[in-house]
Amino acid sequence: SQQGEEDPQALSIQEGENATMNCSYKTSINNLQWYRQNSGRGLVHLILIRSNEREKHSGRLRVTLDTSKKSSSLLITASRAADTASYFCATDARNTDKLIFGTGTRLQVFP
Amino acid sequence: NAGVMQNPRHLVRRRGQEARLRCSPMKGHSHVYWYRQLPEEGLKFMVYLQKENIIDESGMPKERFSAEFPKEGPSILRIQQVVRGDSAAYFCASSPRGRREQYFGPGTRLTVT
Repeated sequence: SQQGEEDPQALSIQEGENATMNCSYKTSINNLQWYRQNSGRGLVHLILIRSNEREKHSGRLRVTLDTSKKSSSLLITASRAADTASYFCATDARNTDKLIFGTGTRLQVFP
Repeated sequence: NAGVMQNPRHLVRRRGQEARLRCSPMKGHSHVYWYRQLPEEGLKFMVYLQKENIIDESGMPKERFSAEFPKEGPSILRIQQVVRGDSAAYFCASSPRGRREQYFGPGTRLTVT
């Protein structure tokens, strides 16, 4: 079964606004990662947060992790049209190296 | 430093033919992963390989699909006797030993007609 479920499925905002995407998962994890996928392209690794971390920043990205709720959020601040893409969370469970991906959030940023 | 390379980028096969997808990991990466993505869906894990070893193939269909990562050369995902349901984007990722981040290639889009 799918490990990660993302919410919302799609999000449309204006440039300059913040975008928040949420991810929930089902089992204990080692790490949670966020990836971006532009239409028809491969995935780009954005950020990794370990299970013992609660928050992490990278440029305009802020990721939080709540292991008690088995959820994570990705916040993109001051969004740009170039941020338009699908965003996926991916988890790797303990004792495994494979990534389990969520269904993704399609973000559209209008100029 | 070149990223993960996959070829071909697009592949069209008729039902019943074979499809061979190639993946060259990033330099210094010894772990290769294959994922499949159907339209409007997330990626689904297929197989995890290290050089000459299949570590985890729990996501591979039991028939027609096989994967290898030889000592020399790229990793190959092979689909025999393709069917329309095999049409998807197939992504390869690699990671260095001891690290969790996976770096993805541009994918191969397989269309079965």
